[in-house]
Amino acid sequence: AQKITQTQPGMFVQEKEAVTLDCTYDTSDPSYGLFWYKQPSSGEMIFLIYQGSYDQQNATEGRYSLNFQKARKSANLVISASQLGDSAMYFCAISGGADGLTFGKGTHLIIQP
Amino acid sequence: GAVVSQHPSRVICKSGTSVKIECRSLDFQATTMFWYRQFPKQSLMLMATSNEGSKATYEQGVEKDKFLINHASLTLSTLTVTSAHPEDSSFYICSAVTDANYGYTFGSGTRLTVV
Repeated sequence: AQKITQTQPGMFVQEKEAVTLDCTYDTSDPSYGLFWYKQPSSGEMIFLIYQGSYDQQNATEGRYSLNFQKARKSANLVISASQLGDSAMYFCAISGGADGLTFGKGTHLIIQP
Repeated sequence: GAVVSQHPSRVICKSGTSVKIECRSLDFQATTMFWYRQFPKQSLMLMATSNEGSKATYEQGVEKDKFLINHASLTLSTLTVTSAHPEDSSFYICSAVTDANYGYTFGSGTRLTVV
């Protein structure tokens, strides 16, 4: 079974600061993918970034980067230069095989002006 | 890119009635669709996996007679909540296996309220 742990239920960050959202995972699959999604109050799941288990380099997508530490089973999301529009729920998720995604409990990020 | 259209976005129904939620793949063929449920301030939990032309596979603890899933075509999967009760009130969201977004494209979700 796969498991995602997000230990930060909520975070307050000043606008323009960088923020790191923590995610640790557990899986017995040798090949897996790690995802981060943003969920605003509307409920839609917005894909942010992906890291494959065999990828040597950390993934980056614009202001988003994923700090992947495979030995520590960690996949933290880093948002640089936070904006007010970044306020939302953020979910870390893991995939493996042909199954759906397993999600963490999420982090509620609030960006303050 | 791959688009999954989910309808309705919001629905309010009376206790004891049934509600159907549709997810359509607009520009690709969705062989596999996942259905998730999200209670307020909680995570997304996988309910079932549907494959076109075959019976859905339900996760442990999900009542298959209550949550009927039909995936009769490559572009449409439906979730019917039968005899809905207030405890079924939740956010339901589908996700199709696609080539985009590293394999998963989500619908926009349905907020179900049973009164």
